[in-house]
Order: sequence, then C-alpha cells, then structure tokens
Amino acid sequence: QQQVKQSPQSLIVQKGGISIINCAYENTAFDYFPWYQQFPGKGPALLIAIRPDVSEKKEGRFTISFNKSAKQFSLHIMDSQPGDSATYFCAASKKTSYDKVIFGPGTSLSVIP
Amino acid sequence: GAVVSQHPSWVICKSGTSVKIECRSLDFQATTMFWYRQFPKQSLMLMATSNEGSKATYEQGVEKDKFLINHASLTLSTLTVTSAHPEDSSFYICSAFTLHTEAFFGQGTRLTVV
Repeated sequence: QQQVKQSPQSLIVQKGGISIINCAYENTAFDYFPWYQQFPGKGPALLIAIRPDVSEKKEGRFTISFNKSAKQFSLHIMDSQPGDSATYFCAASKKTSYDKVIFGPGTSLSVIP
Repeated sequence: GAVVSQHPSWVICKSGTSVKIECRSLDFQATTMFWYRQFPKQSLMLMATSNEGSKATYEQGVEKDKFLINHASLTLSTLTVTSAHPEDSSFYICSAFTLHTEAFFGQGTRLTVV
C-alpha cells in the first residue's frame, strides 16, 4: 500500500515560520491529493486538496504545490502557529472512481513559541 | 462540511468477545465507505472497502472472518471485531466520499482489548 512517500518524518518550526512537508507518489492514475491534519486521539480532518490539473491551491495559510511531471506535491503552512502542532498526512486517491484514499506515513509538526 | 460519525469513540472489551463499531454519514449518502486501522504513531492503513448492498472488499492480509463489515444502508456501515485479542487493540477509523467527492473521516474509535 506504500504508494505515497512523505518527508520529513518530524518537523520543528518556530512560531511565524513556514512549515514545508513534501510528498511523492507512484501511481499515475491518482487524481486527487488531499492533506489531512490529525490531533492525538482524533480522526484525520481534511485540510486542503488538489487535483492534478492545477499546480497550486491556496486556502488561508495553507498552500499545496503540485508538480505532475515529477509526481510530487507539497504542503506549505505560512505563519505557523502553536495550534498547528499536529500530525499531517498527505494522501492520494482516484477521486473520479471514489477509490480508497492511500496515506503517506505522516509528519509530526511541532511549532514552538 | 460533511460529517462522518463513529460510535463508540472508545471501547474496552475482554479478550474473546466481539465488538461492533458503527460509522454513519450524517448529511449525505455513501454507497462506499472505507475502514482504516491506525497503530500509535503510525499512518492509517486501509483494512477494507465497504459497499452498500454487497460484500466488503478486504485488503491483503486482513482477516475477513475476524473483521466483519456490513453496509446495510446508504448511511451506515458497521465493523465487528470478532473474538478480539489484545493485538487487535488499535484506533479504527471510517471514511466516506461525499457527492462533491471529498473524502471525510470519522473521529475514530479507540479499541482496547484486555
């Protein structure tokens, strides 16, 4: 199932800084790339998602950059806050067929004051 | 946004007993739901795909006789862990796609088998 790779495994960022998490996928049939935020003991919450027909999507402080030819995508969190401290998962799916969502291994983000 | 609800949020059971976990789509119909398992500090691993009105599709290595899935309606899927053992202790999470084809997840169920 490990079709989505993610790095770094953990990340420490100072408050106000930019958090960057990178992901890569193998299956070119994937056409839906969501990012999820998970707090301890909670289910993953959809943060932002992108389709491969666009190279960037921004929602508030969160931006996804997508490089279809390299099969890579990344999440940028601008002006990182302590409340952003959580585990972030990139994922991929064949959205058009309501297919299963495959998760990356996750990145534990700590935003320090 | 769309809501996927799980019940219970946590459960403790004795080894050898069975436990049922419910997953409901509260404001949309879901012909397909997905069940995941997550061990501490690990990612979510897909266990099975639950299809309304038909048999579930299990991922390789998942025991279908141990993890019984029933998708009785367009808004409800259940996962029953049969003859639970301590190694089945985990965080179980369900998911569904909405009509707008976004994938939402439930809040998870923490199962502890003692």
